Amino acid sequence: SQKIEQNSEALNIQEGKTATLTCNYTNYSPAYLQWYRQDPGRGPVFLLLIRENEKEKRKERLKVTFDTTLKQSLFHITASQPADSATYLCAINTGGFKTIFGAGTRLFVKA
Amino acid sequence: DAGVIQSPRHEVTEMGQEVTLRCKPISGHDYLFWYRQTMMRGLELLIYFNNNVPIDDSGMPEDRFSAKMPNASFSTLKIQPSEPRDSAVYFCASSTRTSGSPAGETQYFGPGTRLLVL
Repeated sequence: SQKIEQNSEALNIQEGKTATLTCNYTNYSPAYLQWYRQDPGRGPVFLLLIRENEKEKRKERLKVTFDTTLKQSLFHITASQPADSATYLCAINTGGFKTIFGAGTRLFVKA
Repeated sequence: DAGVIQSPRHEVTEMGQEVTLRCKPISGHDYLFWYRQTMMRGLELLIYFNNNVPIDDSGMPEDRFSAKMPNASFSTLKIQPSEPRDSAVYFCASSTRTSGSPAGETQYFGPGTRLLVL
């Protein structure tokens, strides 16, 4: 069956460290993968998109990798800050405009 | 632009009542999506429209749910009759295809409607 899996346990890290979140998928062949941030009581906000022919994408302190062989994406936040505390959602395009979201990983950055 | 606008922000109703959720997409966006988010099931796509036409409604849970988009600036999601298991946060999102980009890039979400059915 088709699945998108993200770490269900919250990730707790110290300010200044690098946070790494994982997204694994099975039985999909996405043309691209996206990462969104969601704060409590708010809608998801788009962060980064990486295409199947790209290995890595960066935006300021954010970095995303995409390994279509492993069927995995890693999302890194370097020099993390308490303001980075949120839930991060991985999303896969399954054709047309249809997007399937993972359950999300909650990140806590401690000052 | 004000972003995607949803109303109401909170809705409390009793089982069996009709519920109507409203959404105004970002001006110029030709794709509109309705999602439902719960702790148990995460964020689920219910239906999406392109140019006011429903394209994929395979996520609509059952006949009690219906969605319409009478024009480019307005959509509704209706639940009739509502049940306690419909309690969730309902999000509307909009998007458009940009030149040189693949389909589905960057969806802009509204603030959501928190629905509680007693």
